[in-house]
Amino acid sequence: DIQMTQSPSSLSASVGDRVTITCRASQSISSYLNWYQQKPGKAPKLLIYAASSLQSGVPSRFSGSGSGTDFTLTISSLQPEDFATYYCQQSYSTRSFGQGTKLEIK
Amino acid sequence: QVQLVQSGAEVKKPGASVKVSCKVSGYTLTELSMHWVRQAPGKGLEWMGGFDPEDGETIYAQKFQGRVTMTEDTSTDTAYMELSSLRSEDTAVYYCARESQYDSSGYLTRRFDPWGQGTLVTVSS
Repeated sequence: DIQMTQSPSSLSASVGDRVTITCRASQSISSYLNWYQQKPGKAPKLLIYAASSLQSGVPSRFSGSGSGTDFTLTISSLQPEDFATYYCQQSYSTRSFGQGTKLEIK
Repeated sequence: QVQLVQSGAEVKKPGASVKVSCKVSGYTLTELSMHWVRQAPGKGLEWMGGFDPEDGETIYAQKFQGRVTMTEDTSTDTAYMELSSLRSEDTAVYYCARESQYDSSGYLTRRFDPWGQGTLVTVSS
């Protein structure tokens, strides 16, 4: 099975900050990498798919990059509604998620 | 537009089974690849299994092999996830999610969207 490792596990930042979250796969997954945002008590929401494609309706301050084993999610200018937990997920083989990154207000 | 509506919360005793449903609207179930993901309280997302249209089979995470069964009733466009031999560690919110296979350019992408609202399953004696 492919293991996904996110870093950091938690992050404190301020409104307006640029934030980057990293996800590493235990083997190459090409570009089969998705990013989700989850708020407390809610289902996850798809933000980025195929490593860098922005899901319809998602603000352009979210972007993704990477291929192979190393990927990043960047939020260019944090907004109050962006404080949430973020998960990466690979769909190259049997699916798996990273452990999550909790983004908190500084 | 696809919408997924799940059944209500369940309380089960250890050793029992639970069957969670996921009703599809906006599409027919045969057009979709449905997956199931769970989340224990305060923990991350854990993929349980789902339909792989390339193989035409349901694939399960090794952790749940032999204990989980995912089925579909195409007459009602409802997907089901049954988990047996429940233990306290199975207490979690269970989500169904449609796995979209291709993007608008025809590239294979495989991503989960949308998701059901979640079903809380509590296992307690």
